[in-house]
Amino acid sequence: NAGVTQTPKFQVLKTGQSMTLQCAQDMNHNSMYWYRQDPGMGLRLIYYSASEGTTDKGEVPNGYNVSRLNKREFSLRLESAAPSQTSVYFCASIVDTSTDTQYFGPGTRLTVL
Amino acid sequence: QKEVEQNSGPLSVPEGAIASLNCTYSDRGSQSFFWYRQYSGKSPELIMFIYSNGDKEDGRFTAQLNKASQYVSLLIRDSQPSDSATYLCAVNRAGGYQKVTFGTGTKLQVIP
Repeated sequence: NAGVTQTPKFQVLKTGQSMTLQCAQDMNHNSMYWYRQDPGMGLRLIYYSASEGTTDKGEVPNGYNVSRLNKREFSLRLESAAPSQTSVYFCASIVDTSTDTQYFGPGTRLTVL
Repeated sequence: QKEVEQNSGPLSVPEGAIASLNCTYSDRGSQSFFWYRQYSGKSPELIMFIYSNGDKEDGRFTAQLNKASQYVSLLIRDSQPSDSATYLCAVNRAGGYQKVTFGTGTKLQVIP
């Protein structure tokens, strides 16, 4: 997980609370991604950012917002958490599309009660 | 039909044997294919990627791609207990990572 950091590692929320998951990479990568991983569902793309200042929806964007303020950081916000958002969240970055090598952060385990 | 299908396993192989992991995909327009290894409680780690039909070897790992049959496989030679993990297959329909679909993974157990 060298180069991609995520905070926090664990979080417990109550239904309706909000929070922001932080992701940062120091590898000068352009593209960054947010995934969630649920048992039996595999990794699913929530949002991605092809470059600084741009963001696009992935497969499961509902209930989430993202912000790419600079090249290093890509945050994921839950405005009103729901139990269905209990999951493990991974941030990833990719150096360029020709290699498609994707580095994942260590993950955030989120529980919504 | 799922876009990317993998047998969930567990696949159990004795130490030193060859482990064969398989993945099928539904979109014939898929262009690049990836294998990730994920240890329990950890994040996925890229092992190999392959773009062209045929075999691609990297150390003990060989990825095989057959676009006509829409399957991609990963062979692990001389399997070690440290190879015990879940292996995720990922398929990218277009250039870039905007349309990558992951399989649910196959759990591999290497028995000492």
